[in-house]
Amino acid sequence: QVHLQQSGPGLVKPSQTLSLTCAISGDSVSSDRAAWDWIRQSPSSGLEWLGRTYYRSRWYNDYAVSVKSRITINPDTSKNHFSLQLNSVTPEDTAVYYCAREGDDGYGFDYWGQGTLVTVSS
Amino acid sequence: QSVLTQPPSASGTPGQRVTISCSGSSSNIGSNYVYWYQQVPGTAPKLLIYRNNQRPSGVPDRFSGSKSGTSASLAISGLRSEDEADFYCAVWDDSLSGFWVFGGGTKLTVL
Repeated sequence: QVHLQQSGPGLVKPSQTLSLTCAISGDSVSSDRAAWDWIRQSPSSGLEWLGRTYYRSRWYNDYAVSVKSRITINPDTSKNHFSLQLNSVTPEDTAVYYCAREGDDGYGFDYWGQGTLVTVSS
Repeated sequence: QSVLTQPPSASGTPGQRVTISCSGSSSNIGSNYVYWYQQVPGTAPKLLIYRNNQRPSGVPDRFSGSKSGTSASLAISGLRSEDEADFYCAVWDDSLSGFWVFGGGTKLTVL
């Protein structure tokens, strides 16, 4: 059974960097049958996909256009986790952030982390 | 405003059949699989339907999905009080360099 455990601060100051980590158990971040995604949810924007990392003989990243200039998603094979960094945050980045496994070959987001409420405020 | 359009609310009484629609375009629903997620407030979304009409293990067969052209639907038959939740459609959109898009969500109330 796959389990995703999120960690990271719940409060970030404007203009600073939001950093979250998603620890994977029951699967590998290097799996060639999955991608590892970050999704956020806010009352104003609903569910919003932010990006993903995945391994297919080499590492790939895809990012949403809306955050492409500010986001980095990195895998860490030694710790079997992946991370989200979002730079230059504003109050509009306040949301519940989720990590999720995207199963290959059309299985969708089949496992989710517990969610982390991140508030951007001074 | 989401790329995928869902009705904001739906309702039904126990035992009824309810359908929730999701309207998109040729670059998303018209080209790719549709997924449905159920979310109880305060918890993470849960995969309900994948590949348009497939149910993950453990999802009751009261839930079914369908797709036609650039629209999709989720049907819930034999409505139960525990079905009360928010439902979201999701699909990969091929425009730009590709991205996942979610519907705005439908809040289902069991009367």
